[in-house]
Amino acid sequence: DQQVKQNSPSLSVQEGRISILNCDYTNSMFDYFLWYKKYPAEGPTFLISISSIKDKNEDGRFTVFLNKSAKHLSLHIVPSQPGDSAVYFCAASDYNDMRFGAGTRLTVKP
Amino acid sequence: EAQVTQNPRYLITVTGKKLTVTCSQNMNHEYMSWYRQDPGLGLRQIYYSMNVEVTDKGDVPEGYKVSRKEKRNFPLILESPSPNQTSLYFCASSLYSNEKLFFGSGTQLSVL
Repeated sequence: DQQVKQNSPSLSVQEGRISILNCDYTNSMFDYFLWYKKYPAEGPTFLISISSIKDKNEDGRFTVFLNKSAKHLSLHIVPSQPGDSAVYFCAASDYNDMRFGAGTRLTVKP
Repeated sequence: EAQVTQNPRYLITVTGKKLTVTCSQNMNHEYMSWYRQDPGLGLRQIYYSMNVEVTDKGDVPEGYKVSRKEKRNFPLILESPSPNQTSLYFCASSLYSNEKLFFGSGTQLSVL
């Protein structure tokens, strides 16, 4: 039972344009949401997070949006850079549990 | 440097031969966890530990054991590995259970 879903296995964008990665969750008890970035041969690294009391969090080129009623969050990267090419995992957490999506492979073309 | 160290990076073994993947963190984190990554399935939790001597099953615990005798170490033990345990394994830690995780570099395990 996948409680966190990333329905796009891959995404390709042009350098300088916006990348939008999407994530849906089913468990309304999740109250903290995170995005991790993973390069080949490395472990995932934390990128940005948002708590359920907010609907937006920004950190430089990265913005995460949360729509609690739709149980949906998205990660926006503006402008996209070739170094952003990686696999992005969405995660959702309640007190005891952090669940991950299957990941979206982002390719940013020069 | 704050880090999670897991060893080995690569391991090829045969069915039934016991193995241990070590994990150590130097950040004094309370929470540690093991995940496996498989294509199309993302990261699935195997076991986690909220503190020393406290461990609990995650989503896919069958065939695995863990122990948490010291705060910094959280080894993953496969008593009798089988080919369906061929996967990429990650150890992770965080200060508390619902905070951002710090991951190790991964262990690619192949069971023949």
